[in-house]
Amino acid sequence: DAGVIQSPRHEVTEMGQEVTLRCKPISGHDYLFWYRQTMMRGLELLIYFNNNVPIDDSGMPEDRFSAKMPNASFSTLKIQPSEPRDSAVYFCASRPGLDHNEQFFGPGTRLTVL
Amino acid sequence: GQNIDQPTEMTATEGAIVQINCTYQTSGFNGLFWYQQHAGEAPTFLSYNVLDGLEEKGRFSSFLSRSKGYSYLLLKELQMKDSASYLCAVRDSGNQAGTALIFGKGTTLSVSS
Repeated sequence: DAGVIQSPRHEVTEMGQEVTLRCKPISGHDYLFWYRQTMMRGLELLIYFNNNVPIDDSGMPEDRFSAKMPNASFSTLKIQPSEPRDSAVYFCASRPGLDHNEQFFGPGTRLTVL
Repeated sequence: GQNIDQPTEMTATEGAIVQINCTYQTSGFNGLFWYQQHAGEAPTFLSYNVLDGLEEKGRFSSFLSRSKGYSYLLLKELQMKDSASYLCAVRDSGNQAGTALIFGKGTTLSVSS
């Protein structure tokens, strides 16, 4: 398996623009997680899905952030409008099921908002 | 509230042993994890503890004391490639389905020759 795939790997945009980050989880995994990592706050959970259904979005910072999972093999995290404080590395991770403990992380998307 | 504490930085020399401590205060507990993250890369899973005691896996061991809210990661026979950030994470059973992880800010370990 190719592992968790994220695109783009790097994104540079200007304040106010819409940003869409994409994730393809490992096939057969029931859980998908979106995290954000910064030096100041570390790795923070934004939202997670179970069988394509959002379970907990309490970590989403504000209404400018939204996430969807239209099917088992694809998820998006959208920021509209983007702000400089959104600059971070965004990781997607997937996990097989409740009986499995390990989360498998994608390579991340480094977002810079100017 | 949710709080996970670990030292920000540690240094050690090749061949040595280092212990990275982690203390946690969470509303629930359903397992403690250690992840390794090299600079510019994704975190990778190292260990999982849910019961008190020591789990050994090669050069790495992880210990848990639930009554003390305390864990440590022990790295033996240090190698240069062990230079990385080590993240302590707790699965908080207070979350629905008890499956989300709360991460500490990580400990950056520098191994020198």
